[in-house]
Amino acid sequence: KAGVTQTPRYLIKTRGQQVTLSCSPISGHRSVSWYQQTPGQGLQFLFEYFSETQRNKGNFPGRFSGRQFSNSRSEMNVSTLELGDSALYLCASSLGQGNEKLLFGSGTQLSVL
Amino acid sequence: GEDVEQSLFLSVREGDSSVINCTYTDSSSTYLYWYKQEPGAGLQLLTYIFSNMDMKQDQRLTVLLNKKDKHLSLRIADTQTGDSAIYFCAESQEGYGGSQGNLIFGKGTKLSVKP
Repeated sequence: KAGVTQTPRYLIKTRGQQVTLSCSPISGHRSVSWYQQTPGQGLQFLFEYFSETQRNKGNFPGRFSGRQFSNSRSEMNVSTLELGDSALYLCASSLGQGNEKLLFGSGTQLSVL
Repeated sequence: GEDVEQSLFLSVREGDSSVINCTYTDSSSTYLYWYKQEPGAGLQLLTYIFSNMDMKQDQRLTVLLNKKDKHLSLRIADTQTGDSAIYFCAESQEGYGGSQGNLIFGKGTKLSVKP
């Protein structure tokens, strides 16, 4: 079974631009969660999608948004990038039924210059 | 508020046991997790324990949960140099619709294994 796949692996953007990251969950998993990892703040929850609906949201500004498609693939978007958005963005997938074995992808390393 | 605390560093000799400790604050947490992260990589799920369990063993890994003290530990037997990594403890937060997708992570414990 293929694991959680995140693309791209690395991204370099400049301040003010926007970026879209993609996450393909494990086959059969319906929940996708997104996390931001920085050296200063550690791992922080962004949001979770289940059956194309946002089910949970962390404390991030509205510049961070996401969506989920009918095949459970998810994208997150960050608009008007700031230097502080430089981070490793990780997504995790699970069945989404309370069971919960959350499996993570390798992440997208975003650098904002 | 919710918080998960871990010591930042642990150094052991190859072949010894490693014990990584974690405390959490939310008594309603349903699942508690241990993840491993190697440099430049994502998070690898090592093991997780349901909050009504006291102990879980999986090969070289033993997880102990003291729910009264909100203390979780991960013991790695016969630690190898390949176990060198950052280990994260995390607690789940039940959300809307029974979601467990919101994990609160500790800052991670960097385990160094000396040959």
